[in-house]
Amino acid sequence: DQQVKQNSPSLSVQEGRISILNCDYTNSMFDYFLWYKKYPAEGPTFLISISSIKDKNEDGRFTVFLNKSAKHLSLHIVPSQPGDSAVYFCAASWNTGNQFYFGTGTSLTVIP
Amino acid sequence: GAGVSQSPRYKVAKRGQDVALRCDPISGHVSLFWYQQALGQGPEFLTYFQNEAQLDKSGLPSDRFFAERPEGSVSTLKIQRTQQEDSAVYLCASSLVGAGVNTEAFFGQGTRLTVV
Repeated sequence: DQQVKQNSPSLSVQEGRISILNCDYTNSMFDYFLWYKKYPAEGPTFLISISSIKDKNEDGRFTVFLNKSAKHLSLHIVPSQPGDSAVYFCAASWNTGNQFYFGTGTSLTVIP
Repeated sequence: GAGVSQSPRYKVAKRGQDVALRCDPISGHVSLFWYQQALGQGPEFLTYFQNEAQLDKSGLPSDRFFAERPEGSVSTLKIQRTQQEDSAVYLCASSLVGAGVNTEAFFGQGTRLTVV
């Protein structure tokens, strides 16, 4: 039973435009959410996180938005750059849990 | 090293062979996780250590899978009598504090296991 879902397997965006990656979750116990970026043949790299007490967290070109009522979060990348081309994983955890739950990933291609 | 180190990077095993995968976490990190990632999927939880204690092994798919972290640092994931369905990338991650205190985990590059 997939508790974290990324329904878009792939996304293509023109360089300089905004990339929006979406993630939905089903478990209302989740209170911490993360985005990881993965290049081929490498492990996932932590990108940005958000606690459930916030609805937005920003770090440079990356912003994560959390809508708890809709159990939805999104990652915005502005402006998108070719080096952002990678697979992005959404993950979630809760404060008494022992693991992160991952989505299946969205492959982002930024076209120069 | 500065990051999580896993070895070997690639392993080909004949069906029925035993394999051992090693993880060197970031120095001083309390938590250590093992994940399995099948092709086209997200990482799936296998097991969790807090220091040397294995606090959660609920994700281990069968009793052929065994993990240890005897001194609270290096960890080994052992798979006995490998089967073709064990073919996957095995990822190790560590974090500074214990799980349950929400913080990011840092991943190694993974070991790609292919069972033939």
